[in-house]
Amino acid sequence: AQRVTQPEKLLSVFKGAPVELKCNYSYSGSPELFWYVQYSRQRLQLLLRHISRESIKGFTADLNKGETSFHLKKPFAQEEDSAMYYCALYGGATNKLIFGTGTLLAVQP
Amino acid sequence: DVKVTQSSRYLVKRTGEKVFLECVQDMDHENMFWYRQDPGLGLRLIYFSYDVKMKEKGDIPEGYSVSREKKERFSLILESASTNQTSMYLCASSLPRGGGGGYTFGSGTRLTVV
Repeated sequence: AQRVTQPEKLLSVFKGAPVELKCNYSYSGSPELFWYVQYSRQRLQLLLRHISRESIKGFTADLNKGETSFHLKKPFAQEEDSAMYYCALYGGATNKLIFGTGTLLAVQP
Repeated sequence: DVKVTQSSRYLVKRTGEKVFLECVQDMDHENMFWYRQDPGLGLRLIYFSYDVKMKEKGDIPEGYSVSREKKERFSLILESASTNQTSMYLCASSLPRGGGGGYTFGSGTRLTVV
């Protein structure tokens, strides 16, 4: 079965601290993984995708097939990073995105 | 710059009413989706459509139906609203094959059923 697990509902860190939002997936094929972000009162938007291997707003995520993980990391958190973050898996066979339950990141001043 | 528009930001309806949630996209996307977003449950797919007049059930289709008569419009219908359908509803669109995961979301409709 295809599944995305985000074990933390809430992650609270202080400004300047490192951040790691965890995401694990279950998928039998070759996965395509994404991180979406929703800032307060804004629409859900794509943050980054693993195939691009890019850094967006200082965030990076590396696909680890051995551990079936796609954790989102940032070395120094900023207050404006406070938002809800969703990990998502694109299942080619089903042709749709499967989302995790989300992690609320709260960056304290 | 708005590309996926949901007709209402907030709606309050009574139990048993028939409710229509409208979504329009201007990007000529083939795929359109309806999700509901609930705290602790994430985004759950209700219905999706790959083309005009085509629809497929998602993970939680019970109590809902959809209509796609034109490529740009995808409507979600609650045949008889119930209090457990109180939620945030998100519409999204994408190119075929998920568009590389690039879903574009609307701002959401917060529906309250009383």
